[in-house]
Amino acid sequence: KQEVTQIPAALSVPEGENLVLNCSFTDSAIYNLQWFRQDPGKGLTSLLLIQSSQREQTSGRLNASLDKSSGRSTLYIAASQPGDSATYLCAVKNAGNMLTFGGGTRLMVKP
Amino acid sequence: DAGVIQSPRHEVTEMGQEVTLRCKPISGHNSLFWYRQTMMRGLELLIYFNNNVPIDDSGMPEDRFSAKMPNASFSTLKIQPSEPRDSAVYFCASSLEGGVKAFFGQGTRLTVV
Repeated sequence: KQEVTQIPAALSVPEGENLVLNCSFTDSAIYNLQWFRQDPGKGLTSLLLIQSSQREQTSGRLNASLDKSSGRSTLYIAASQPGDSATYLCAVKNAGNMLTFGGGTRLMVKP
Repeated sequence: DAGVIQSPRHEVTEMGQEVTLRCKPISGHNSLFWYRQTMMRGLELLIYFNNNVPIDDSGMPEDRFSAKMPNASFSTLKIQPSEPRDSAVYFCASSLEGGVKAFFGQGTRLTVV
């Protein structure tokens, strides 16, 4: 059974810092890995999708990497802003189309 | 496309009552997922469907929970009878099968008193 872990569970940084969020998974036989953002009381917004054959994806100040063999992904946020404050979740899709989530990292960017 | 649509957005009900949550997936998507989110347990997959057929319902907590997908554009999650520990936010998501993005609805916040 796939298990997804995110570290740290919570993170507080001053505005302008570059930061890295970590995601690890136990079963490397994945279709893809997706990073989501969730604001309090809201649904999940997809940020980046990395296919199993890819190593990284970039969107603006966000960069996600994938090392399938070691079961790890990182989400890099450059020049963080208060508006980046949210919970960030990674999810792995396995064969059978099953999507398994990590517990999330709650990010607070202080002005 | 309007995205994944869930209704109601909020539901408050008394213990023992039946609750039905509804989901309309994105048109053309053939996979549909029901998740439950709580502070203690995070996002848990309850059940998912491929082409309207339930594939894995091992996450459904008890027989009080049931889900149906009568056609490609509609799914329901029913709790009967409801209990206070069922209070959570229930999300529906849809995607195409394979290595593509999953899209989530805004969720239904259920409170059982």
